[in-house]
Amino acid sequence: GAVVSQHPSWVICKSGTSVKIECRSLDFQATTMFWYRQFPKQSLMLMATSNEGSKATYEQGVEKDKFLINHASLTLSTLTVTSAHPEDSSFYICSADGRESGNEQFFGPGTRLTVL
Amino acid sequence: GQQVMQIPQYQHVQEGEDFTTYCNSSTTLSNIQWYKQRPGGHPVFLIQLVKSGEVKKQKRLTFQFGEAKKNSSLHITATQTTDVGTYFCAGAGGRDDKIIFGKGTRLHILP
Repeated sequence: GAVVSQHPSWVICKSGTSVKIECRSLDFQATTMFWYRQFPKQSLMLMATSNEGSKATYEQGVEKDKFLINHASLTLSTLTVTSAHPEDSSFYICSADGRESGNEQFFGPGTRLTVL
Repeated sequence: GQQVMQIPQYQHVQEGEDFTTYCNSSTTLSNIQWYKQRPGGHPVFLIQLVKSGEVKKQKRLTFQFGEAKKNSSLHITATQTTDVGTYFCAGAGGRDDKIIFGKGTRLHILP
């Protein structure tokens, strides 16, 4: 079955640094990838929709200059948290939409970011 | 590691019939969430269950969390065409309360 991976699975960084999170579709081409964040015991919050070769569409309230999304190929999207602060500490999950799977959604395992 | 299994993968029902999707975790969960993804859209949060044995209703949707907090179900009564989509469960558990999604159940409604 289709697999989505995320790297790293967890990261700890100092305040003010930037962190890049990768989301890869391992055995299928993903025309669309979604990025979510989740605070403990809360639901997923959609941050942005990323389409291959075009600019990401951000949800209201999500700073596009802070959360940089790049979807350079059909198998890779990256989320960069720039100048991270402790309030950015969260669980970030991506999901990928298979081109030939009829919009079937596959979730990555998530990345836990802790900003000190 | 922790796994969340969801069945069935696909379900076709006649409009008006009931539908149920089941979610089972390999470990005890702190909470479970359910999401619905409409065709062409992204998963949207429906509900969160936290307590053992909890049952919550949203109109025709009934959500249950098992006594052992390892399984859950979503039941739709008298399905309508607007119920079409994929239903995902997501269980949170483990030392860091990591959330893990099931693979989803795709519901098709036959007119």
